[in-house]
Amino acid sequence: GAGVSQSPRYKVAKRGQDVALRCDPISGHVSLFWYQQALGQGPEFLTYFQNEAQLDKSGLPSDRFFAERPEGSVSTLKIQRTQQEDSAVYLCASSPVYTGEGNQPQHFGDGTRLSIL
Amino acid sequence: KQEVTQIPAALSVPEGENLVLNCSFTDSAIYNLQWFRQDPGKGLTSLLLIQSSQREQTSGRLNASLDKSSGRSTLYIAASQPGDSATYLCAAINYGQNFVFGPGTRLSVLP
Repeated sequence: GAGVSQSPRYKVAKRGQDVALRCDPISGHVSLFWYQQALGQGPEFLTYFQNEAQLDKSGLPSDRFFAERPEGSVSTLKIQRTQQEDSAVYLCASSPVYTGEGNQPQHFGDGTRLSIL
Repeated sequence: KQEVTQIPAALSVPEGENLVLNCSFTDSAIYNLQWFRQDPGKGLTSLLLIQSSQREQTSGRLNASLDKSSGRSTLYIAASQPGDSATYLCAAINYGQNFVFGPGTRLSVLP
């Protein structure tokens, strides 16, 4: 497909387990973003990649959260030793432009709904 | 720190009505402002993006305005339809592509 693809769509894990969430951005898109969306709230920024470089990780809530994009395309968000407060929808978005260049909107995936029991 | 609020939190209108959704942001030094639509269980679909130098953007029945000095944006939906039912989110885009989202307005258009 032509859009941003995220997998899995749903993930249930027990507290303390590690999880990995995948994002396939639109081909050729330079910028990639991860967001966390709690129920009834707007998305909150987690981290931003420009190609393979992680330029901003100020939104990651703790050192249990780790994101990578080693080849500048697919990205993985990993959460170690999950806790109940990590339950949320994790959204990925991509954009064809570099930071501050042009005014192209971000394209969002449908998200991964993570439930920690 | 940029904070974005949206009023009302929820809105229910009969089909055919014109309506206005409001978005306020605390830091006027934004790069762009963007309006999104989110359907249940789905990601966000971009509706309109307003550059900081612009005052409004239009797409079909949608019109978004931006007043940076007062920290406000409005989304006007004309002749609402049941298919417009969704949550509408605004995002203030700071330099560096950092999006700060509001909590959204949940819109129901009744047939």
